[in-house]
Amino acid sequence: AQSVTQLDSQVPVFEEAPVELRCNYSSSVSVYLFWYVQYPNQGLQLLLKYLSGSTLVKGINGFEAEFNKSQTSFHLRKPSVHISDTAEYFCAVSDMNTGNQFYFGTGTSLTVIP
Amino acid sequence: EAGVVQSPRYKIIEKKQPVAFWCNPISGHNTLYWYLQNLGQGPELLIRYENEEAVDDSQLPKDRFSAERLKGVDSTLKIQPAELGDSAVYLCASSLGSLYAGGPDEQFFGPGTRLTVL
Repeated sequence: AQSVTQLDSQVPVFEEAPVELRCNYSSSVSVYLFWYVQYPNQGLQLLLKYLSGSTLVKGINGFEAEFNKSQTSFHLRKPSVHISDTAEYFCAVSDMNTGNQFYFGTGTSLTVIP
Repeated sequence: EAGVVQSPRYKIIEKKQPVAFWCNPISGHNTLYWYLQNLGQGPELLIRYENEEAVDDSQLPKDRFSAERLKGVDSTLKIQPAELGDSAVYLCASSLGSLYAGGPDEQFFGPGTRLTVL
């Protein structure tokens, strides 16, 4: 079975500083990986996804993530954060056996400090 | 294009009362999902529909929860009777439903219904 671990529950960072949100997964088969963002009182919105091919994936709002199979990680990065990036971020995993069934991590709350 | 619509956005009820949530997916999306999101947690799948068929309801507590998706479009999730531990956000999501060689398709989420059971 798949599982996702988001090691940091809360990440405070100053505006215009870089940030990395960590995500590790466990799966016995090839995986598909996703990062979603959730703004207060809103649903989840897809930031980026890894299905195959290049391990460096670029998403919306200047975010990117790198798939590292040997370390079973899919960390999310942004070189310079804005106040508007303050939100909850969820990593999710699926695989070819489970298809459209996603398993989500517990989330990381990113707070950008002015 | 309208997104996934959910209503109500907020609901407060007393324990042992029934409650229902409604979801209207994006037009043309065949797959519909209901998720439970507890405070400080990620979404957990309750049930997944492919058109009007429930293809995965293994995590749905069937003693008190029920769901339906008549005509393969709108869906309703019901709890009867509600318990204190049911207080959470109930998210609905939809996707095209085409699992192709490139991987699963994107799930689009509604804003959720926040349920408070007193």
